[in-house]
Amino acid sequence: ETGVTQSPTHLIKTRGQQVTLRCSSQSGHNTVSWYQQALGQGPQFIFQYYREEENGRGNFPPRFSGLQFPNYSSELNVNALELDDSALYLCASSSRDEQYFGPGTRLTVT
Amino acid sequence: GDSVTQMEGPVTLSEEAFLTINCTYTATGYPSLFWYVQYPGEGLQLLLKATKADDKGSNKGFEATYRKETTSFHLEKGSVQVSDSAVYFCALSDGGTGTASKLTFGTGTRLQVTL
Repeated sequence: ETGVTQSPTHLIKTRGQQVTLRCSSQSGHNTVSWYQQALGQGPQFIFQYYREEENGRGNFPPRFSGLQFPNYSSELNVNALELDDSALYLCASSSRDEQYFGPGTRLTVT
Repeated sequence: GDSVTQMEGPVTLSEEAFLTINCTYTATGYPSLFWYVQYPGEGLQLLLKATKADDKGSNKGFEATYRKETTSFHLEKGSVQVSDSAVYFCALSDGGTGTASKLTFGTGTRLQVTL
């Protein structure tokens, strides 16, 4: 059974650009959640996808958007990047009440 | 809204010392409670969980008991090892709809264990 994978590992972008982060969920998991972890902080919930539909959203602006595909993999898109978007972005997949996290994508906005 | 408060770190202990990391929460309803661990450069790993009052979660020598009366879920280990050095996060789930709920995390407590 493969775990949750994320790509890329690291990314550097310029303010105002757009970025797409990718997540492959663990086999058999149909729910994917995305979290933003700023340096020295706990992860903050961005949104969750269940069977290709958004199933809950945290306090993030609309320039944060996502997709889930029929194989349950997912993308996080962020438009008009700001310096404060620099963070570790974590994806978690789940099939019950336990969420299993990927290693994250470290995004740096300059 | 839901929130989790953890003791601030870093916590520095000698190997074989007793560990307690305090965690309290505020939530409506009956959340499930979790401890996650994050090793340097890695994502979060589920350490243990408890889904109802008085439940005790345990794993790898770590334990935590869901105390509804004090809204607490303190993490304990009787004898820490250098390999336990990591950041520990307390979290709760909101019991929302769907097959999984959103997690609300504390700010994390860094543990450093020395020889």
